[in-house]
Amino acid sequence: AQSVTQPDIHITVSEGASLELRCNYSYGATPYLFWYVQSPGQGLQLLLKYFSGDTLVQGIKGFEAEFKRSQSSFNLRKPSVHWSDAAEYFCAVTSGGSYIPTFGRGTSLIVHP
Amino acid sequence: NAGVTQTPKFQVLKTGQSMTLQCAQDMNHNSMYWYRQDPGMGLRLIYYSASEGTTDKGEVPNGYNVSRLNKREFSLRLESAAPSQTSVYFCASSDEDIHFGDGTRLSIL
Repeated sequence: AQSVTQPDIHITVSEGASLELRCNYSYGATPYLFWYVQSPGQGLQLLLKYFSGDTLVQGIKGFEAEFKRSQSSFNLRKPSVHWSDAAEYFCAVTSGGSYIPTFGRGTSLIVHP
Repeated sequence: NAGVTQTPKFQVLKTGQSMTLQCAQDMNHNSMYWYRQDPGMGLRLIYYSASEGTTDKGEVPNGYNVSRLNKREFSLRLESAAPSQTSVYFCASSDEDIHFGDGTRLSIL
């Protein structure tokens, strides 16, 4: 069965610092990978996705993620964090079609001024 | 361009009451899903429907029923609500992308 692990429950960074959120997946086929962000009391917003091609994908709000098949990872990065980036971040994997999307438990990002 | 629409957005129930959460998508997707979100637990799959006319249990189906009314609509029913079902419920649909509704915040007293 497919699974997604986000090893960090909470991450605290200072505003302006760089950020990396980790995501590891277990999936037999070629995965489709996603990162979502959820602000308090809000729904889930898609940050970026990887289906195929270039393993470094760019998303909204200055985020990027790199797919590393050898490490089964899809880590999310941002070079300079803003206070408004404080939110919950979810990594997800599927293969599209009728395959069931599986989500990690989320990483809560705290940004110090 | 509505995407995935969930109703209601908020609901308070008493223990033992029943209710149905509605979900509709306008993207002609075959697959639809119901998730619940609880603090520290991420999104857990309640039920899913791979295509019109089919439904299957997910990780946490107990206490819920679903109906895939047609290709557009996928409803979630709580027959006898319990406090443990207090949660935020998200409907989603997918082809390659996963599209979410805005969620239903449900409190059961």
